[in-house]
Amino acid sequence: QSVLTQPPSVSGAPGQRITISCTGSSSNIGAGYDVHWYQQLPGTAPKPLIFGNSYRPSGVPDRFSGSKSGTSASLAITGLQAEDEADYYCQSYDSSLSGSWVFGGGTKLTVL
Amino acid sequence: EVQVVESGGGLVQPGRSLRLSCAASGFTFDDYAMHWVRQAPGKGLEWVSGISWNSGHIGYADSVKGRFTISRDNAKNSLFLQMNSLRPEDTAFYYCAKDNSLRIWLWGWYFDLWGRGTLLTVSS
Repeated sequence: QSVLTQPPSVSGAPGQRITISCTGSSSNIGAGYDVHWYQQLPGTAPKPLIFGNSYRPSGVPDRFSGSKSGTSASLAITGLQAEDEADYYCQSYDSSLSGSWVFGGGTKLTVL
Repeated sequence: EVQVVESGGGLVQPGRSLRLSCAASGFTFDDYAMHWVRQAPGKGLEWVSGISWNSGHIGYADSVKGRFTISRDNAKNSLFLQMNSLRPEDTAFYYCAKDNSLRIWLWGWYFDLWGRGTLLTVSS
């Protein structure tokens, strides 16, 4: 069980908008720690997509956006494209016990 | 080219040891914290360990604490992970990841550069 909870899968048609949720608790997202998002294309290493809740690294299209509220965060993708089909992971920090960087379980995005 | 390249994975028997290495290039290695993140085949990402730019801060996931040791050699732009008492559940791709924070230990900051990973298989 991951500390951060994501839906196992989401899907959408080309051009549509989808969102992926990341639900945490008072020891991680709710404690004020930032949420970051990564995209992992099949057979490749993860790539940063959103950092600091809502900022995009250079080169990431503005179709990708992030938000955070309370103990949850969301990734939104607008104008869905075939090449967006990938696994998406949220990441934050959990201060319980000895503390650690934590990831969500990942969400598989299927473009219909 | 800015990159990190992992090496040292392979097949090892349960209870044995192995050392992973990560060679960094294209950036000022000793300015940044570095981490190891693993991914079991077909599974999600799991943070394993992290070390600050000057080795002053070190952290481990509970699943590897007491068995794994992270270290770095800034003179050689290298990161290491010494893994002892290996278990079948340690089987995974191990990624070396660069922390984005410059000369500061930011709890939970993000990883802006990842290697391609090296596969460790623990099996008899």
